[in-house]
Amino acid sequence: GAGVSQSPSNKVTEKGKDVELRCDPISGHTALYWYRQSLGQGLEFLIYFQGNSAPDKSGLPSDRFSAERTGGSVSTLTIQRTQQEDSAVYLCASSLASGSSTDTQYFGPGTRLTVL
Amino acid sequence: AQSVAQPEDQVNVAEGNPLTVKCTYSVSGNPYLFWYVQYPNRGLQFLLKYITGDNLVKGSYGFEAEFNKSQTSFHLKKPSALVSDSALYFCAVRTLSGYSTLTFGKGTMLLVSP
Repeated sequence: GAGVSQSPSNKVTEKGKDVELRCDPISGHTALYWYRQSLGQGLEFLIYFQGNSAPDKSGLPSDRFSAERTGGSVSTLTIQRTQQEDSAVYLCASSLASGSSTDTQYFGPGTRLTVL
Repeated sequence: AQSVAQPEDQVNVAEGNPLTVKCTYSVSGNPYLFWYVQYPNRGLQFLLKYITGDNLVKGSYGFEAEFNKSQTSFHLKKPSALVSDSALYFCAVRTLSGYSTLTFGKGTMLLVSP
């Protein structure tokens, strides 16, 4: 079956603009995660969704960042008033159920965001 | 808090030679350990994981990893490296009582020369 897909693959924006990044998880996966990968910071957890439960937003770096997941499937990560330090690769992952710590997370190809 | 250390930024090995990419972890409780690989401009691909049982775990593409509880390590190994193994490798950990998310190491770049 299809893996995790993300769009766009690349996004260039100007400082101060808002951007939306999209993630389509693997069909049937109830848990969805967003991570950020940047030079010098490695992979940082941002937010995760499990089914219809309230998302864990504890990794979001500021209130400019938000995410939603519609219908328990597709997720959108929104960054408002982008800053240059937001430039990074944003990775989405999904797993069958986050209730199990043994679950494997499967990652999408990422969206490379460049803020000029 | 849980953490992962990958002490080498880069590992160089000649094709055909064995390779080791090191990983150590720090957790409270039993660890669940994962290795992922990232090729240029690609997302992370799952290689293998240790949950319980046999300390030697076999994964994709001929890779294996050995869980050592006393040394809190989970080194990735392959008996004979290929040029196509050149990529960025990430070790990650999570625990039963911790986050459901993964805590990643900084990554190790593996370069296999012909």
